Amino acid sequence: EIVLTQSPGTLSLSPGERATLSCRASQTVWSNHIAWYQQKPGQAPRPLIFGASIRSIGTPDRFSGSGSGTDFTLTISRLEPEDFAMYYCQQYGSSTTFGGGTKVEIK
Amino acid sequence: EMQVVESGGGLVQPGGSLRLSCAASGFTFMNFHMGWVRQAPGKGLEWVANINKDGSNNYYVDSVRGRFTISRDNTKNSLYLQMNSLRAEDTAMYYCAQLQYLVFDIFNIWGQGTMVTVSS
Repeated sequence: EIVLTQSPGTLSLSPGERATLSCRASQTVWSNHIAWYQQKPGQAPRPLIFGASIRSIGTPDRFSGSGSGTDFTLTISRLEPEDFAMYYCQQYGSSTTFGGGTKVEIK
Repeated sequence: EMQVVESGGGLVQPGGSLRLSCAASGFTFMNFHMGWVRQAPGKGLEWVANINKDGSNNYYVDSVRGRFTISRDNTKNSLYLQMNSLRAEDTAMYYCAQLQYLVFDIFNIWGQGTMVTVSS
């Protein structure tokens, strides 16, 4: 099983700042099959990125994904008030697993 | 609008059974692989099970294999999760989700979830 480790656990930032979230896999993720989701309290997760860097329909372009192999990053270029939420990565290259999540909170 | 709506959650005693249902609409259900993802209170996401388009193949996380069964009825646009021998650690919100293209893929469309509580 591929274990995904997300860091940091919590990111405290102000609106307008840049957010950098990390997702590290315990082994190489085949074909960079990494997805990112945003989840707000009381809501279902919403897909943001798939294939490590491809935005899902409706994802604003301030969200970008990058990385390959075992190290992946979600970057939010300038935080908007609605971006403060939980973020999860998922690998689907070998079965599927989720990371433990990163909370982006208002500083 | 593509959507999925879960039902069937509730309070059940340890060792008991529960059957979750998921009704799909707004898309051609038989053309998509489907899955279940759960989230324990205050915790992260955990994949539970996936099923392919025609229901001939299914896949499970180790912790539920042998106790849970995923199935689908393409004539009713419905997905199911039969949960037996329930344990306290199965307590979670259970989400039904549509997979994008592959049987292991990004979960594109999510329902709002149905809560399962296992407690005496």
